[in-house]
Amino acid sequence: SQQGEEDPQALSIQEGENATMNCSYKTSINNLQWYRQNSGRGLVHLILIRSNEREKHSGRLRVTLDTSKKSSSLLITASRAADTASYFCATSRLKDGGGADGLTFGKGTHLIIQP
Amino acid sequence: DSGVTQTPKHLITATGQRVTLRCSPRSGDLSVYWYQQSLDQGLQFLIQYYNGEERAKGNILERFSAQQFPDLHSELNLSSLELGDSALYFCASSVEPMNTEAFFGQGTRLTVV
Repeated sequence: SQQGEEDPQALSIQEGENATMNCSYKTSINNLQWYRQNSGRGLVHLILIRSNEREKHSGRLRVTLDTSKKSSSLLITASRAADTASYFCATSRLKDGGGADGLTFGKGTHLIIQP
Repeated sequence: DSGVTQTPKHLITATGQRVTLRCSPRSGDLSVYWYQQSLDQGLQFLIQYYNGEERAKGNILERFSAQQFPDLHSELNLSSLELGDSALYFCASSVEPMNTEAFFGQGTRLTVV
């Protein structure tokens, strides 16, 4: 079963606009990561936010994490046509006895940037 | 280029057959993950190894098995293949299992006919 769920499933915006994607998860986590996937290719890591962090920036990306609501958001500012891709959140679930499960992914948000 | 190498890139085989997918992790990475991606199931975590030992198990079928060798490369064995096993299989690696980013290979596209 999926640990994370992205919302919306698909998003189409004009180039230059900002894109916001959300992720909700179910259990306690060690960290939350966002990845991008261009059609049929491998996933590329974008950003990692630890459970004790609330916000993180990387270039045009801003990620927030609210552990009380078990949710995260990814904001891409000043979008470009090259940002067209699927975006996934991934979590590493903490185990009761210590350690963590493998990194599990949501179903992704498909982002289309219209030129 | 992520530094993770997967072979072969494409594989077409018949139902009932057995195949082996191979993954070479990034230099220095001790942890290897296997994922299956299909249109209906999304990206499913199968199994994780760390320095040769199984660390976590996900939705891996009993017909599937994996191992990580002393040189840290990993193989995913899929047997008694069914049409529904057709998917993209990704390998990823990371320095350690929990706190760092994972680097993905380009995947092996398996088609079962």
